[in-house]
Amino acid sequence: SQELEQSPQSLIVQEGKNLTINCTSSKTLYGLYWYKQKYGEGLIFLMMLQKGGEEKSHEKITAKLDEKKQQSSLHITASQPSHAGIYLCGAALTFEKLVFGKGTKLTVNP
Amino acid sequence: DAGVIQSPRHEVTEMGQEVTLRCKPISGHNSLFWYRQTMMRGLELLIYFNNNVPIDDSGMPEDRFSAKMPNASFSTLKIQPSEPRDSAVYFCASSLGGGHPDTQYFGPGTRLTVL
Repeated sequence: SQELEQSPQSLIVQEGKNLTINCTSSKTLYGLYWYKQKYGEGLIFLMMLQKGGEEKSHEKITAKLDEKKQQSSLHITASQPSHAGIYLCGAALTFEKLVFGKGTKLTVNP
Repeated sequence: DAGVIQSPRHEVTEMGQEVTLRCKPISGHNSLFWYRQTMMRGLELLIYFNNNVPIDDSGMPEDRFSAKMPNASFSTLKIQPSEPRDSAVYFCASSLGGGHPDTQYFGPGTRLTVL
């Protein structure tokens, strides 16, 4: 069964636009990870959230974890072509094991 | 500092052949993970080790798959015999493994094609 739902599956935006990707779990999480993947490459770690209500930012990317620790959002401000790729959320259901969403494919048109 | 190293990067083999994938984790990391990524099923955990000991292999699809970690700096994932449905990208990842949620760092992956 799919324990982690990620939406949307794909997203096409114009350069400069803001966008949001969501990740929802049916269970309370120990931690929530965001990764970015480019075709033919491995996953690049972006951010990890552990506490309910936590918010982290890196450059133009902001991730939040809700108070119940079941839902997270990734927000990109003023998107650029360099933001294009597949964004994956990973949920720590136990300390070590991660379950991943199916990913969101982001295309940013110049 | 070198990241997670995987070899080979690409492997093409024929059905029935043995395939061995290799991984060198980040130095000092105590946990190592093997994942498989396909279009249909996404990224799935196959097995993970802590201090060279297999902790959870519930994701290993069947007996044709086996994984070993003979020392802290090397792990292998073996498929014998290989089948076309094993075609996927296999990732190795490592983390500090300190008993609390740790960031996993991924290698570049091995793209396996079984004909």
